[in-house]
Amino acid sequence: AAGVIQSPRHLIKEKRETATLKCYPIPRHDTVYWYQQGPGQDPQFLISFYEKMQSDKGSIPDRFSAQQFSDYHSELNMSSLELGDSALYFCASSPKSPGAGAVLGTNEKLFFGSGTQLSVL
Amino acid sequence: DQQVKQNSPSLSVQEGRISILNCDYTNSMFDYFLWYKKYPAEGPTFLISISSIKDKNEDGRFTVFLNKSAKHLSLHIVPSQPGDSAVYFCAASPSGTYKYIFGTGTRLKVLA
Repeated sequence: AAGVIQSPRHLIKEKRETATLKCYPIPRHDTVYWYQQGPGQDPQFLISFYEKMQSDKGSIPDRFSAQQFSDYHSELNMSSLELGDSALYFCASSPKSPGAGAVLGTNEKLFFGSGTQLSVL
Repeated sequence: DQQVKQNSPSLSVQEGRISILNCDYTNSMFDYFLWYKKYPAEGPTFLISISSIKDKNEDGRFTVFLNKSAKHLSLHIVPSQPGDSAVYFCAASPSGTYKYIFGTGTRLKVLA
């Protein structure tokens, strides 16, 4: 079965450079989430998109921006990179956004990609 | 302020025995919970979920228990297998969002 695809798998950048991470959700999934996991830390929610619109925002720095395109793939753009941006960046997709008042069943799943390991030197 | 906590950073269990991983949360608005397994440099793999309308959900060797009054959930793996060795994260989200908050993880080691 098709999974969430992230590219590149590894990325090395220098301070103050820019980086673009890409995420291709599972077909027919219209919701995409970005998470950042620093060394020895738990994943932190950055931002999510539903039907190409930003649906939720977490601890995403102003230097970062993201968007979801008409084919539902998403890109995370990171500028003025800092050493502390070195982390594993995960994208996840789900088949639908819960929306206000939605009842989530116990079979709802959030599918993660393998991540992009970003190293800022 | 860690809203989802896994107080045991590591756990070792003999093969065939039960593994119990615990998770506590502080936000009473959380009503949907997930457990993930993660290997190094890979994305988390979904294991099992539970919503606040239930107190137990079972899927094969994995069972999740939810105690809302105590704001506590646990994952039971029985019987434990060496392939279960990984870092396990619990995650929680409020109603109406998939903005999950992850715990700090518990490294499970199943000894053959």
